[in-house]
Amino acid sequence: EVQLVESGGGLIQPGGSLRLSCVASGFSVSSNYMSWVRQAPGKGLEWVSVLYSGGDTYYADSVRARFTISRDTSKNTVYLQMDSLRAEDTAVYYCARDRNWSGYWAFDHWGQGTLVTVSS
Amino acid sequence: DIQMTQSPTSLSASVGDRITITCRASQRINTNLNWYQQKPGKAPKLLIYAASSLQSGVPSRFSGSGSGTDFTLIINSLEPEDFATYHCQQSYTTPNTFGQGTKLEIK
Repeated sequence: EVQLVESGGGLIQPGGSLRLSCVASGFSVSSNYMSWVRQAPGKGLEWVSVLYSGGDTYYADSVRARFTISRDTSKNTVYLQMDSLRAEDTAVYYCARDRNWSGYWAFDHWGQGTLVTVSS
Repeated sequence: DIQMTQSPTSLSASVGDRITITCRASQRINTNLNWYQQKPGKAPKLLIYAASSLQSGVPSRFSGSGSGTDFTLIINSLEPEDFATYHCQQSYTTPNTFGQGTKLEIK
């Protein structure tokens, strides 16, 4: 069974850092595209970052140069290192597996989410 | 970035009704359009990918259509568990972008 479990969220002051973890089971993170998607309170979904199976990474403009996505294949875990946090980064952060169906991509499995609150 | 616009942003309906939600892309995205359902406090769930393909396990009362810039999600004969928020997402290009969501409420 495919499962994603996030952790690492919490209350952090502006300018601080947090590292989110997403432990996967039932599949290999190294063989899949893995993304982070966030949702600010009462708002819609916002894609944050993707890590391709080949190692390429991409980021939303709003987080580029502040956030870093990575993985540890020995732990089957994906990370999101978040630096220089701002109030507008406050959100529930979800990790999701990006699945391909003959060239069409969609997030077919999601974690339960972890809340990041940036506030003094 | 491609902008995704959903309408309506909220909708009231009754059990047994048929409802339609639309999603418009700011540029052509072929059929690279997905629909998700989200209930309060829960993660989104994939309903439809590639504009019209039903994800495994999703009831057949859900259907999707469209290509290019205009897409629709139809739910036939609403069940109580269908009252939720629905999001469209384009996977044509990075950054993937989502619509603002449509909240479906019980009338």
